[in-house]
Amino acid sequence: DTGVSQDPRHKITKRGQNVTFRCDPISEHNRLYWYRQTLGQGPEFLTYFQNEAQLEKSRLLSDRFSAERPKGSFSTLEIQRTEQGDSAMYLCASSLDMRRETQYFGPGTRLLVL
Amino acid sequence: DQQVKQNSPSLSVQEGRISILNCDYTNSMFDYFLWYKKYPAEGPTFLISISSIKDKNEDGRFTVFLNKSAKHLSLHIVPSQPGDSAVYFCAATSIYNQGGKLIFGQGTELSVKP
Repeated sequence: DTGVSQDPRHKITKRGQNVTFRCDPISEHNRLYWYRQTLGQGPEFLTYFQNEAQLEKSRLLSDRFSAERPKGSFSTLEIQRTEQGDSAMYLCASSLDMRRETQYFGPGTRLLVL
Repeated sequence: DQQVKQNSPSLSVQEGRISILNCDYTNSMFDYFLWYKKYPAEGPTFLISISSIKDKNEDGRFTVFLNKSAKHLSLHIVPSQPGDSAVYFCAATSIYNQGGKLIFGQGTELSVKP
């Protein structure tokens, strides 16, 4: 299977703890995106990378959120001092380095903050 | 502000009939539109896309229509099958947005009854 993969698929944590999610994009894809989806809503853009460079961050991404893509391959999204409002599905997508290139999504990581 | 809107949260159709899912947008800079399908606990799966230079794009049972003057697009599924039951999201992006981030609607849950 050469699609986008995410790990873990599910995460339950207590408020105040730190969590880290990983995304492995399709191998030849240079662009990697993070989105967040809450119940009843569509995915909302968080941030994206062109190779290893983080080029845009949404206002949704507070200081408690940080994302990296070392060496332009996999990416990690860390949430520090989690809050109950962080509970959501975190989706990763990747695409080729072209305008209008389709983004392919991974299965997501469902986070529940207690 | 909701730049992409799907005003019908749900739609129920009979197997074999046509399903029509609608989407409206407000940002005239959007020039590329996509439809994704999502099953519970999975990431969105790309279905079909359309550029603003076209008004129709077809792929098998799926056809997307774009009416730029009305800022409206629709997805037609003919004939509908029970396996099409899922949540459908429309998404839009702009060539002026170098990152290609997608702006999603809230989704429409399609139920195809045998």
